[in-house]
Amino acid sequence: RKEVEQDPGPFNVPEGATVAFNCTYSNSASQSFFWYRQDCRKEPKLLMSVYSSGNEDGRFTAQLNRASQYISLLIRDSKLSDSATYLCVVNLGTGGFKTIFGAGTRLFVKA
Amino acid sequence: DVKVTQSSRYLVKRTGEKVFLECVQDMDHENMFWYRQDPGLGLRLIYFSYDVKMKEKGDIPEGYSVSREKKERFSLILESASTNQTSMYLCASSRRGQKPEAFFGQGTRLTVV
Repeated sequence: RKEVEQDPGPFNVPEGATVAFNCTYSNSASQSFFWYRQDCRKEPKLLMSVYSSGNEDGRFTAQLNRASQYISLLIRDSKLSDSATYLCVVNLGTGGFKTIFGAGTRLFVKA
Repeated sequence: DVKVTQSSRYLVKRTGEKVFLECVQDMDHENMFWYRQDPGLGLRLIYFSYDVKMKEKGDIPEGYSVSREKKERFSLILESASTNQTSMYLCASSRRGQKPEAFFGQGTRLTVV
């Protein structure tokens, strides 16, 4: 079983749609969680951290369920510019030594 | 502006060659990482370093070695390149701490022929 699992997609949605990505992780000792975004032929960049209480940044909402070892990302009112691959990222330990990336979920937003 | 710089965007090497991939960060980060990214497999950790001269194997270290002689520089070495090492290689760095955001270099697309 992979340490971090994501639905690979692709997700094809129209502009304005709401889309949700899910991610599960296997190591209960995981300490911190993130969503990264990777555009085609570019490096990954941090989208947002994920906090236990859930957090929101504009149209993006991230949730963490430690009991179920599950992370989610919700994008509301999708824009064409949201088309990218979204990577779920889990950190083991507090030193940031072991950062595990999911394989990513590809999103296409169409006009 | 934070910066992680990889020495080459594209490289073509022959089977059996020794290959050096260089990565430099200007953020005084303690942690540095080398990943490879392949379609359908995502990012896989090759090696990481949490301090100068310290290194730890990641998930797929076979066929690779690393060097960290200075804090800002982390080198990945392919001792004898093989065609199955054709991939995108990404270097990253992060600060030691509880919420270690990783910053990536632009990637090196290596083709071994």
